[in-house]
Amino acid sequence: DSGVTQTPKHLITATGQRVTLRCSPRSGDLSVYWYQQSLDQGLQFLIQYYNGEERAKGNILERFSAQQFPDLHSELNLSSLELGDSALYFCASSAGSSNTGELFFGEGSRLTVL
Amino acid sequence: AQSVAQPEDQVNVAEGNPLTVKCTYSVSGNPYLFWYVQYPNRGLQFLLKYITGDNLVKGSYGFEAEFNKSQTSFHLKKPSALVSDSALYFCAVRGRDASGGSYIPTFGRGTSLIVHP
Repeated sequence: DSGVTQTPKHLITATGQRVTLRCSPRSGDLSVYWYQQSLDQGLQFLIQYYNGEERAKGNILERFSAQQFPDLHSELNLSSLELGDSALYFCASSAGSSNTGELFFGEGSRLTVL
Repeated sequence: AQSVAQPEDQVNVAEGNPLTVKCTYSVSGNPYLFWYVQYPNRGLQFLLKYITGDNLVKGSYGFEAEFNKSQTSFHLKKPSALVSDSALYFCAVRGRDASGGSYIPTFGRGTSLIVHP
C-alpha cells in the first residue's frame, strides 16, 4: 500500500459529461502529480501541485483542470469528455519538489467514456 | 527537454535466468534516474533510484540497475528471474521542466517483462 488514495476506482460516463477524480496523498507529502496512462501514449504528465499551488504543467488539455486544497488532497476535473479521454488516471505524491525523490502512486481511476 | 527510451516493448526470459530491461535517457544537467514496476490493475511502485555515487544501485525484490554516463543508460537487471517478476517496468528521469521551476518525472513507455516457468 503506497498510502495514496484515489477515488473512484472506475468511472463510466458519456461524451460531453464532466467528472471529478479525487486524490489523497501520503500523509505529510506536499507534492501531488497527475498522470494519464493510455495504451498509445504511455504515461503522460498532466500537472503538479505543491502545497496548494500549481508548480508545473504538462500535456494537460484546456478541458481539464486541477486543484490542491488546504488539506493537501487534490482533484482533477475533466469536462466536455471525448472518447479519447478514456484512460487510467494516476495521482502520485512525493515529500517535496526536489529532483531526488521518488513518487508514490495511487492505484488509479479508470475512466471509460462511451 | 528530457526524454527516456525503453527500446523493447517486451522482454521474455526463462525463470532462473538473468534478466535485463534496457533504458536510455536524455536530460540536461545531472541525471536522476528511477525504475518503477506496475502489476496488473495496480499503480506504479518504486523499485530503485540513482542519484549519485556508486554506478550500481540495488533496490527492492533483488533488482539492481547500472548507471552508465557515457552511454546514457540505466539498465535494470536481476541475476535470477522469478515468474512473479512478470509485470510492466518503467524507467523515469527527473529533470527541470521548461520553465526551470520544478523537477518533473518523465517516464518511458514501459517494457513488459514475461518470465516463463
